[in-house]
Amino acid sequence: ETGVTQTPRHLVMGMTNKKSLKCEQHLGHNAMYWYKQSAKKPLELMFVYSLEERVENNSVPSRFSPECPNSSHLFLHLHTLQPEDSALYLCASSQDRGRVGYTFGSGTRLTVV
Amino acid sequence: DQQVKQNSPSLSVQEGRISILNCDYTNSMFDYFLWYKKYPAEGPTFLISISSIKDKNEDGRFTVFLNKSAKHLSLHIVPSQPGDSAVYFCAAKGSGGSNYKLTFGKGTLLTVNP
Repeated sequence: ETGVTQTPRHLVMGMTNKKSLKCEQHLGHNAMYWYKQSAKKPLELMFVYSLEERVENNSVPSRFSPECPNSSHLFLHLHTLQPEDSALYLCASSQDRGRVGYTFGSGTRLTVV
Repeated sequence: DQQVKQNSPSLSVQEGRISILNCDYTNSMFDYFLWYKKYPAEGPTFLISISSIKDKNEDGRFTVFLNKSAKHLSLHIVPSQPGDSAVYFCAAKGSGGSNYKLTFGKGTLLTVNP
């Protein structure tokens, strides 16, 4: 148990579907992150939330919509995705924005068909 | 433009020998460096880190070396064990307003053969 739980572990969706990824952390951290890992690419930071406020949107297309209702939960709402959005989506948390040592979840393997 | 580079996509080592994973960076504002380890179907886990004011940090079988003038760091694993087989990511953190952000390399797949 890493302390950061992501659901679902695997998701296959059509380009017209709407789905959501969920992340929950049990570590008392106050910053949460969405990362994208595509094949043969570095981990890409998508969104950062600190104290439930979005502090960074790293030029992510609007078909990805994050939501952070409280410091323990983070969602990534997906709609009208493209096949190239297929990737591993990782959630992470940390104690605060300035501290290192992220704790990652196991990720959601997303396939867009 | 990749600011953190891991030029070796894979490395194969015999059990008991030393594994050396390399990482180069281009941004001189990076002040903290980390290594993460990732098994298949799991998220990355923190392994070891080093501040830019140091040139070496050791934790058990793992040692990270930092050469600031060359903008190069390396992770040494001695002795290597089959359970060390995983993807290793190098990451760097900058100072200032974006000091929460980690920039990752593409990773190196380490295989330790029994």
